[in-house]
Amino acid sequence: DTAVSQTPKYLVTQMGNDKSIKCEQNLGHDTMYWYKQDSKKFLKIMFSYNNKELIINETVPNRFSPKSPDKAHLNLHINSLELGDSAVYFCASSPTRQGSEAFFGQGTRLTVV
Amino acid sequence: DQQVKQNSPSLSVQEGRISILNCDYTNSMFDYFLWYKKYPAEGPTFLISISSIKDKNEDGRFTVFLNKSAKHLSLHIVPSQPGDSAVYFCAASREPDKLIFGTGTRLQVFP
Repeated sequence: DTAVSQTPKYLVTQMGNDKSIKCEQNLGHDTMYWYKQDSKKFLKIMFSYNNKELIINETVPNRFSPKSPDKAHLNLHINSLELGDSAVYFCASSPTRQGSEAFFGQGTRLTVV
Repeated sequence: DQQVKQNSPSLSVQEGRISILNCDYTNSMFDYFLWYKKYPAEGPTFLISISSIKDKNEDGRFTVFLNKSAKHLSLHIVPSQPGDSAVYFCAASREPDKLIFGTGTRLQVFP
C-alpha cells in the first residue's frame, strides 16, 4: 500500500519530446507538491497544489505544467524537454496544516539525451 | 539564495558513537524545522521535527536541537547504527504549503 506513488520510476527521452510523470496519493491529504532534485542534490520545490488549486509556482519554466484532476492526483507534464531538465523529480503530499511533514514518492529519474 | 544550508556534504561515524548533523538557515521567519532521511533510489522520509517555540525534541535515538539566535539546528543520532547510513536533509517552513530543503549530508556509519 504505497502512500505516494509516482510513475514511471525511470524516464529516458530525447530533447524536444513531451513527457508526463504521474503521481497519486492515498493518504487523503489536501496538498500535493512537485520537487526537483538537481545534479547538485539540491531538493527544490516546483509546485504546490491545495485541493486542486495551484498555491506555489516557484519560477519554473512554463514548459512545466502541473495538472491536478482531483486532490489525490498531481501530474507533471513537461514540453520540449531540454538537457537541463535531467534530474530526479519527487512528488509529495501533506495535510494542510503548518508543521506537518510531507510524504514523498520514490522519485522519477528523468534523463534527457 | 540558499536559505537552508548543510555545509558538511558527508560524515563518517563509527557504529555506537554519536552522529551530529548540522543545518543553518538564514530566514528568521521560519517557524518549523524538519529532518528527512533518504536512501538511494527512494524518496525522502520524515524523521523528526521541531517547532520554533522549542529548543529540543527527542524521539528514540534521534534528537533535534534548535538554536534560534544562531539560526542553527542539529540532529543527534545516538547510538549510531549501520542502518542509519543515508543522506539526511534538513528542511524549514514558514508557510504550510512549502518546505525548503538543505543540500543534504551523507552519513556513513561503519562497524
